Amino acid sequence: QKEVEQNSGPLSVPEGAIASLNCTYSDRGSQSFFWYRQYSGKSPELIMSIYSNGDKEDGRFTAQLNKASQYVSLLIRDSQPSDSATYLCAVNENQAGTALIFGKGTTLSVSS
Amino acid sequence: EPEVTQTPSHQVTQMGQEVILRCVPISNHLYFYWYRQILGQKVEFLVSFYNNEISEKSEIFDDQFSVERPDGSNFTLKIRSTKLEDSAMYFCASSELSTNTGELFFGEGSRLTVL
Repeated sequence: QKEVEQNSGPLSVPEGAIASLNCTYSDRGSQSFFWYRQYSGKSPELIMSIYSNGDKEDGRFTAQLNKASQYVSLLIRDSQPSDSATYLCAVNENQAGTALIFGKGTTLSVSS
Repeated sequence: EPEVTQTPSHQVTQMGQEVILRCVPISNHLYFYWYRQILGQKVEFLVSFYNNEISEKSEIFDDQFSVERPDGSNFTLKIRSTKLEDSAMYFCASSELSTNTGELFFGEGSRLTVL
């Protein structure tokens, strides 16, 4: 059974701090990794994708991938109250697959 | 900005009834998907659709489920005989490329309540 694991949280950080969200996955054949943000009652919204080892930065967000450790992370710099949401890690099932496997998500709370 | 649109936003039905959920994917996207999310649980893959046929389906997508692209724009999910456990938010998504190189964009969802 392919799994994507995330700490459910809640992760609480003060406004302006760095939030660090982590994800591990079980399938070594996974090629593509995504972070989605989901506000309560809303649909997942894509934040970042990452396909190769290392860091990828986009504004206040940095995704990090370590395929050897089967580990993906998302850093949010200068956290804002509007960043308060559930962050979903998603991994494509395998190289030929079309399915994304989602983790349960980590709930982030940013206090002002 | 192009978006995936879904109708209805909320449907209430009686157990055993048929339900059709509709989606209009982003126009230049080639891959279409249905996912579901039971309240408080994770987003689960149901089915992917490419080139007018199912590419992949999960164990959840049993004979009670079917998908169709009846015309050039709509993509539908049919549940033939709904069960209580089918109550969930159903998300349609589309992508330009397959998920091993492409990014998925979700619609706002259709909430299905089975009584």
